[in-house]
Amino acid sequence: AQKVTQAQTEISVVEKEDVTLDCVYETRDTTYYLFWYKQPPSGELVFLIRRNSFDEQNEISGRYSWNFQKSTSSFNFTITASQVVDSAVYFCARSMDSNYQLIWGAGTKLIIKP
Amino acid sequence: DAGITQSPRYKITETGRQVTLMCHQTWSHSYMFWYRQDLGHGLRLIYYSAAADITDKGEVPDGYVVSRSKTENFPLTLESATRSQTSVYFCASSEYYEQYFGPGTRLTVT
Repeated sequence: AQKVTQAQTEISVVEKEDVTLDCVYETRDTTYYLFWYKQPPSGELVFLIRRNSFDEQNEISGRYSWNFQKSTSSFNFTITASQVVDSAVYFCARSMDSNYQLIWGAGTKLIIKP
Repeated sequence: DAGITQSPRYKITETGRQVTLMCHQTWSHSYMFWYRQDLGHGLRLIYYSAAADITDKGEVPDGYVVSRSKTENFPLTLESATRSQTSVYFCASSEYYEQYFGPGTRLTVT
């Protein structure tokens, strides 16, 4: 199966540090989408970003940035100047060809200490 | 309110009982999904639906039944609940690839 790997099970940093969450995916497709979701301690799953495989431009949204590198099949997520409210489990996912299903990574638990 | 809702939010049931978890979305999204989330397993797809009256199995369908008679509703039924089905269940909908999730139902089977 074509996997999505989030090798970091848990990351703990002190507030205001920058932190990068890694995501590596496998695919034989030429067209696909990549996603990041956030699951805060309250439990809901929140969509953060979708990237098209044709668009390798990095994206920045406030303190969040995403680095997509097709050559290394990676889609990493960086939080700059982390805050306690960033504490959550973050999931990376990739689209499948059919039926709009997503292949999910196992998630990375991010702990931001005050 | 617009969005995707799930009910009940919490449910405790006994082994062997039938339980139905409800999911309702107001976006008229074509696709709907049911996942379960367990510690150590991440999100696992149970069933999905591409449209009303079209459903298909996901990764872990055994012990579950779904139906979709209307676009906006996608109920999940546990025909005879087992302790291994204790989990948090998420419903999601999408019109394209990004999925939008309901708040989840925490189900405990005793």
